[in-house]
Amino acid sequence: GAVVSQHPSRVICKSGTSVKIECRSLDFQATTMFWYRQFPKQSLMLMATSNEGSKATYEQGVEKDKFLINHASLTLSTLTVTSAHPEDSSFYICSAPTGANQPQHFGDGTRLSIL
Amino acid sequence: GESVGLHLPTLSVQEGDNSIINCAYSNSASDYFIWYKQESGKGPQFIIDIRSNMDKRQGQRVTVLLNKTVKHLSLQIAATQPGDSAVYFCAENKGGYSTLTFGKGTMLLVSP
Repeated sequence: GAVVSQHPSRVICKSGTSVKIECRSLDFQATTMFWYRQFPKQSLMLMATSNEGSKATYEQGVEKDKFLINHASLTLSTLTVTSAHPEDSSFYICSAPTGANQPQHFGDGTRLSIL
Repeated sequence: GESVGLHLPTLSVQEGDNSIINCAYSNSASDYFIWYKQESGKGPQFIIDIRSNMDKRQGQRVTVLLNKTVKHLSLQIAATQPGDSAVYFCAENKGGYSTLTFGKGTMLLVSP
């Protein structure tokens, strides 16, 4: 089946640090990937749509300068949380559909803890 | 999009029982519906999907029912096992590469 790999799985760092999270589609090409944020016992909230070769589309209320997205190849999208603060602590998850009208397949998430 | 709840509804069943998890969606333009299973500390895992031109689809031990008239989706799990314990989310979109909207989720607890 389609595999999406996310790295790192866990990050603990000091306030003010920038953190990069990678999302890779391992056995298919993904022109579109999605980034979500999830708080404990809550649903997934879409942050942005990552488009290969063009700018990401951000959901309302998500700061694009805070959450930088780069989708430079058909198998890799990165999310950089810039100057992270404790309120940015969360579970970040990426996904990619294998094609149009196909289900999104998810990575195993990145637990970000900012001290 | 969907509102996000602070407390997950919970369904507790005994091993071997059949489980039914329900989901109401709000967008009548949605064309594609998916059920995901999320275990603690992991990303959602695809279970089964259904398109709006169908009202029922079966997989291995799972069945999804779609009622477009009342905008309701359900997931039936036959002979529930402890390994089925997880949070289950329904999700919907308008097809293509459109964004998914997730439901609030239901926690399924299976007792041996």
